[in-house]
Amino acid sequence: EAQVTQNPRYLITVTGKKLTVTCSQNMNHEYMSWYRQDPGLGLRQIYYSMNVEVTDKGDVPEGYKVSRKEKRNFPLILESPSPNQTSLYFCASSFGRGSGELFFGEGSRLTVL
Amino acid sequence: GENVEQHPSTLSVQEGDSAVIKCTYSDSASNYFPWYKQELGKRPQLIIDIRSNVGEKKDQRIAVTLNKTAKHFSLHITETQPEDSAVYFCAASMNSGYALNFGKGTSLLVTP
Repeated sequence: EAQVTQNPRYLITVTGKKLTVTCSQNMNHEYMSWYRQDPGLGLRQIYYSMNVEVTDKGDVPEGYKVSRKEKRNFPLILESPSPNQTSLYFCASSFGRGSGELFFGEGSRLTVL
Repeated sequence: GENVEQHPSTLSVQEGDSAVIKCTYSDSASNYFPWYKQELGKRPQLIIDIRSNVGEKKDQRIAVTLNKTAKHFSLHITETQPEDSAVYFCAASMNSGYALNFGKGTSLLVTP
């Protein structure tokens, strides 16, 4: 089954404790992206990657890191989480090359205390 | 960067009525305009999209129109049904799908 898989789906952590949210897709997509969703603010892009070893900042990259060492994986790293990073995070992927449609993962709800 | 404004933020209609959601974008270089539907507790899913070389596109009860001159595009849902209740997001991209900028969403409620 074609899918985008994120882990963990739910996480409660404390300020400053490094964490990684994994994202994996099995559709051989070139393009991958991370969004955060907050009430009243919609979906805001954090980082995106157009291919292996190619990443770029979105609108809200501060406090986040990403890497794209393999085509299928695009982890989101919070080196020192803070309460303002409490959010619902979505990973998404597409074929790229102008194909358009983004396929979203199920989301990861992160709470930073 | 691209700025996408979406209105209204909430919309309530009766079953069978039509619903219209409007979005404006700031960068005339944008060339791809998708609409995503997000049901409660679920992931966003693409329902329809339009490219800048097309003025209108229909798919059964949903349609999207694009006015490049005015830099706005709209989603039209006819004969609404309770299962249309969801949050709808418009988006725009200058790169045919890369780096999508989303509007803040419209919560649509269809009452029986």
